[in-house]
Amino acid sequence: GQNIDQPTEMTATEGAIVQINCTYQTSGFNGLFWYQQHAGEAPTFLSYNVLDGLEEKGRFSSFLSRSKGYSYLLLKELQMKDSASYLCAVIVWGGGNKLTFGTGTQLKVEL
Amino acid sequence: DTEVTQTPKHLVMGMTNKKSLKCEQHMGHRAMYWYKQKAKKPPELMFVYSYEKLSINESVPSRFSPECPNSSLLNLHLHALQPEDSALYLCASSQERGRVPDTQYFGPGTRLTVL
Repeated sequence: GQNIDQPTEMTATEGAIVQINCTYQTSGFNGLFWYQQHAGEAPTFLSYNVLDGLEEKGRFSSFLSRSKGYSYLLLKELQMKDSASYLCAVIVWGGGNKLTFGTGTQLKVEL
Repeated sequence: DTEVTQTPKHLVMGMTNKKSLKCEQHMGHRAMYWYKQKAKKPPELMFVYSYEKLSINESVPSRFSPECPNSSLLNLHLHALQPEDSALYLCASSQERGRVPDTQYFGPGTRLTVL
């Protein structure tokens, strides 16, 4: 089975930095994605890791440690519009690429 | 352009109705997906199509019937649904490179209510 855990909720201040953690135990691993989802909208792609290390993309960075089954998403210079749900998702091969999402972290950015 | 479109945006249907959800992409992607998302839960994979052939069915009840008429279109036919099937149905697409994973791009979803 697949087990992907994230904190349920986080609160941070505008302009600050926040780190959202994700731990996973999955049967197989092909890569890890981070998506952002505003309420009632589609998930939008943020970042992708397949090898260990840090991937940087503007204000967003994502880190992966495959030996620890651990990833984090780092958001810098937080803006009010960053208030959303952040979804960690692991992709495994099962006759096709299967994306399994974690429970999601609801981030609230305050003034 | 990374746009996936879905119609309708909202759908209300009775338990005896037959309806269809439609998804379209023009990115040349050859893998397409259906997900179901309940309120305050993450999306759950239902079906995967690769080169217009069904490659994964995540033990979805037969009242949901997917169809991929061509490389740009994906349908989900609905029949005899239950109220618990009310959810946001998301379509996604990606490049298809076998075991090499690619980013999946999601459509805005169809909000389905079953009465």
